[in-house]
Amino acid sequence: DADVTQTPRNRITKTGKRIMLECSQTKGHDRMYWYRQDPGLGLRLIYYSFDVKDINKGEISDGYSVSRQAQAKFSLSLESAIPNQTALYFCATSDFSGGASETQYFGPGTRLLVL
Amino acid sequence: AQKITQTQPGMFVQEKEAVTLDCTYDTSDPSYGLFWYKQPSSGEMIFLIYQGSYDQQNATEGRYSLNFQKARKSANLVISASQLGDSAMYFCAMRAVNTGGFKTIFGAGTRLFVKA
Repeated sequence: DADVTQTPRNRITKTGKRIMLECSQTKGHDRMYWYRQDPGLGLRLIYYSFDVKDINKGEISDGYSVSRQAQAKFSLSLESAIPNQTALYFCATSDFSGGASETQYFGPGTRLLVL
Repeated sequence: AQKITQTQPGMFVQEKEAVTLDCTYDTSDPSYGLFWYKQPSSGEMIFLIYQGSYDQQNATEGRYSLNFQKARKSANLVISASQLGDSAMYFCAMRAVNTGGFKTIFGAGTRLFVKA
């Protein structure tokens, strides 16, 4: 089984709808992240969490919210979806142990299309 | 401000040849880490290799090596003996310890095509 899972893998929704993307991990990592990927822009950080009680905004958090239900679960919500939120969304985890060597482990991604 | 630049949107390489994917970075932080990730057409992101700013030697992982030139602020990925399965998007990333705000930033990526 994959260490980092995301559901759904693909989602089509309409403008104005609220949707939730879910991420679960079995790696036992404290740190979890949500990114979006757009063509030509690489990955951009939406939100990150260093533990269950710690939630932080990334560079593009407007229009998104998150919930860290447990160490293993980190959900991303689009309160009112709009077409420019069409993107590939990744959840990632890391086992930070100090210094710069924080390797992130990514889920398979969720392809979201907002019509 | 932290920045990662990948200037090659696409690259072609003949199977079994070596290829270099360019990455330059900008940070004033003396302590940072550099990463390369691979994204095949299936979409997942796969960690390839890591280089720390204080590491004296270039990192190597199998057919992957990182050509780290600190003074030039470059961290190029070298793939030796290319295989068809190496066709993918490749992302360079950086994490600055003291000034990066605990965030990893990514370049725009380079798409590599391996020709048979």
